[in-house]
Amino acid sequence: DQQVKQNSPSLSVQEGRISILNCDYTNSMFDYFLWYKKYPAEGPTFLISISSIKDKNEDGRFTVFLNKSAKHLSLHIVPSQPGDSAVYFCAASSHGSSNTGKLIFGQGTTLQVKP
Amino acid sequence: DGGITQSPKYLFRKEGQNVTLSCEQNLNHDAMYWYRQDPGQGLRLIYYSQIVNDFQKGDIAEGYSVSREKKESFPLTVTSAQKNPTAFYLCASRDSPLATNEKLFFGSGTQLSVL
Repeated sequence: DQQVKQNSPSLSVQEGRISILNCDYTNSMFDYFLWYKKYPAEGPTFLISISSIKDKNEDGRFTVFLNKSAKHLSLHIVPSQPGDSAVYFCAASSHGSSNTGKLIFGQGTTLQVKP
Repeated sequence: DGGITQSPKYLFRKEGQNVTLSCEQNLNHDAMYWYRQDPGQGLRLIYYSQIVNDFQKGDIAEGYSVSREKKESFPLTVTSAQKNPTAFYLCASRDSPLATNEKLFFGSGTQLSVL
């Protein structure tokens, strides 16, 4: 059962335009969401996160939006640059009594930014 | 430089052989994790450890074993019982199991292939 889903395996945008990557989740207990960026043969690097008490978090060119009622979050990259070309993973977790730091990851979306 | 070091970068396993993947961190993090990445499936949790001398199974622990004898080290053994070991293995750590910020820091990964 895939609790975190990224339904678009790939996305291609022109340099300078907006990239929108989407993520859906099914577990209403998730209260913390993260986006990671990954280049081939490298480990993921943290990009941006959002707590469920917020609906938007912005960091430079990157903005994450959270719609709790729809169980949906999105990552906006504006303007897109060729160096943004990578695989983007959405991840979610919930604070519980165990709080193990377990992150549940989506399948990833490959973003290609064309010059 | 603080970080997570995984070795080797590439590893080949023969039929019936056990192999061990190394993960060392100098971030003084309490919690460490092992994830497996397969194409189109995102990252799946194998094992995690919140403190020295303690570890728990993740979602796909069968065919794997770990140890946590030192805070900075969390080696993963892929046993002969793991029938489909070919994957990209990622080690991660975080500050504390009880931290509200649940960002994970990842190593650069080990690609395991079967001969």
